[in-house]
Amino acid sequence: DIQMTQSPSSLFASVGDRVTISCRASQNINSYLNWYQQKPGKAPKLLIYAASSLQSGVPSRFSGSGSETDFTLTIISLQPEDFATYYCQQSYSTPVTFGQGTKLEIK
Amino acid sequence: QVQLQESGPGLVKPSETLSLICTVSGGSISTYFWSWVRQSPGKGLEWIAYISYSVSSSYNPSLKSRVTISLDTSRNQFSLKLSSVTAADTAVYYCARVKGTYFDSWGQGTLVTVSS
Repeated sequence: DIQMTQSPSSLFASVGDRVTISCRASQNINSYLNWYQQKPGKAPKLLIYAASSLQSGVPSRFSGSGSETDFTLTIISLQPEDFATYYCQQSYSTPVTFGQGTKLEIK
Repeated sequence: QVQLQESGPGLVKPSETLSLICTVSGGSISTYFWSWVRQSPGKGLEWIAYISYSVSSSYNPSLKSRVTISLDTSRNQFSLKLSSVTAADTAVYYCARVKGTYFDSWGQGTLVTVSS
């Protein structure tokens, strides 16, 4: 299985900040990397697919980059509704695997 | 806009079979792939299986011996059966649509507790 490792596991930030979350794959996954946002008691929501493509309806303050094994999710100008847990997910091969999550909390 | 809704028992006894249904509305189940993902309390996300309209399927090897996923195009539903459950199978179970290589639409999730 391909292991996905996110860092940091938790992150404290303020409204208006710029934050980056990293995701590393245990092997080359090209650009088969997706990012999701999950709020308590809710299903994950797709933000970014194929490493850098913004899902329809997702604010442009979210962006993704990277390829092969190293990927980044960037949120510029944090909004109150952005405080949530973020997961990366590889779809290069089955079994599909997710990172352990990064919890973004208000400072 | 496609919508997915999970249904099934919220409590299952150890060693029994967990059965869930996902009802899809706003779109035909005869296109795309459809999947189950679970999330144990306080833990991360675990992919279980997916199935396509052509009835090809794929399973997580960690669960494959206990999992069956099936499609009912007449009812626009797909289902999950997980046999011989233990407390470790207690989780929120989500159904999701697979578009390309990502999960683009999700159900709200249903908590299944395994307990006697």
